[in-house]
Amino acid sequence: DAGVIQSPRHEVTEMGQEVTLRCKPISGHNSLFWYRQTMMRGLELLIYFNNNVPIDDSGMPEDRFSAKMPNASFSTLKIQPSEPRDSAVYFCASSLSTGTDTQYFGPGTRLTVL
Amino acid sequence: QKEVEQNSGPLSVPEGAIASLNCTYSDRVSQSFFWYRQYSGKSPELIMSIYSNGDKEDGRFTAQLNKASQYVSLLIRDSQPSDSATYLCAVRGLTGGGNKLTFGTGTQLKVEL
Repeated sequence: DAGVIQSPRHEVTEMGQEVTLRCKPISGHNSLFWYRQTMMRGLELLIYFNNNVPIDDSGMPEDRFSAKMPNASFSTLKIQPSEPRDSAVYFCASSLSTGTDTQYFGPGTRLTVL
Repeated sequence: QKEVEQNSGPLSVPEGAIASLNCTYSDRVSQSFFWYRQYSGKSPELIMSIYSNGDKEDGRFTAQLNKASQYVSLLIRDSQPSDSATYLCAVRGLTGGGNKLTFGTGTQLKVEL
């Protein structure tokens, strides 16, 4: 299995630009998670989907952030407009849908907003 | 009070020693507990999970859970330089449909030759 795939791996953009991060979960996994990691705040859950439906988006920092999962094999996290404080590593993870299953993380996207 | 608390370290231990990593959590109804290892510049990977009070051993790793004290620990026996990484404690509760993990900020472990 290829594991969780994220793209791009690195993104450098200027403040005010739109940023779209992409994720392909492991085939057969029904839950998908978007996390953000910074030195100050650690690893924070932004939103997660179960069977393509958003279940908990309480971690989405503000309206500039949005996430979609149009099908079982693809999800996007969009930031519009981006700000320097959005600079972080964004991880996507997936798991089977039962409550005790392991979450498998993708390699992450390192976002730098200038 | 943070939901999941860890000492940020760094925790330095000599090669061959036992490394002890600790984590406390605030939500008494937490159900499941996990230890993830994260090498610098890499993604977190699960190394241990524990669901009931007591000890769980897997090779050189032992996870310990005490729900009454809201305390989880990870022991690494015969520490190796390759164990040098940040260890993240994660807790799954009942919120968010029961599938939401809350992570601590991690403890950096350095195993010295």
